[in-house]
Amino acid sequence: QQQVKQSPQSLIVQKGGISIINCAYENTAFDYFPWYQQFPGKGPALLIAIRPDVSEKKEGRFTISFNKSAKQFSLHIMDSQPGDSATYFCAASTQAGTALIFGKGTTLSVSS
Amino acid sequence: KAGVTQTPRYLIKTRGQQVTLSCSPISGHRSVSWYQQTPGQGLQFLFEYFSETQRNKGNFPGRFSGRQFSNSRSEMNVSTLELGDSALYLCASSLEGVNGYTFGSGTRLTVV
Repeated sequence: QQQVKQSPQSLIVQKGGISIINCAYENTAFDYFPWYQQFPGKGPALLIAIRPDVSEKKEGRFTISFNKSAKQFSLHIMDSQPGDSATYFCAASTQAGTALIFGKGTTLSVSS
Repeated sequence: KAGVTQTPRYLIKTRGQQVTLSCSPISGHRSVSWYQQTPGQGLQFLFEYFSETQRNKGNFPGRFSGRQFSNSRSEMNVSTLELGDSALYLCASSLEGVNGYTFGSGTRLTVV
């Protein structure tokens, strides 16, 4: 019930293409869904987050789509660039929570 | 403003020893959380402190402990180190709970 399942484990996308990473959760009490980006040697950095009262949130080239009934959410990176090559983690928590449950991560490589 | 500072960046310890890691949060942030990151298990929550009180603890053995000082700085301690404790230990700070976590770059602990 506490798991967040993330796929794919790795992803290779051509420059300019769309990168899509998917996550699924079980705990219906979760109501905060952030995505983090991590470069080698650095800690994760918050990219974008969504709450279940909206189905989509967009910030620049990054969009979260949220499907409450399916208990799934996804990250779309439009016009992917080599600088986007990193590991991406989805996570979930309750709004008043004090701990994030992370997916296992997706390593994205954008080829030029 | 200064980010989350973790010291030291790298540590090599021998099995059976103990280790103390330090985290200085962003100024004004009262919540400090610790996570363990390994290739196999991913990012796992260790504990969260707010105003010197531990509010939440993950599923780790009692060898893992922490504390928070009145200036919000936090330390975590691992006693009787095991090979499996080798990991990147990440500290995150926020104003409150999981919202807007800022992670430090982590302490890479290697147990030999």
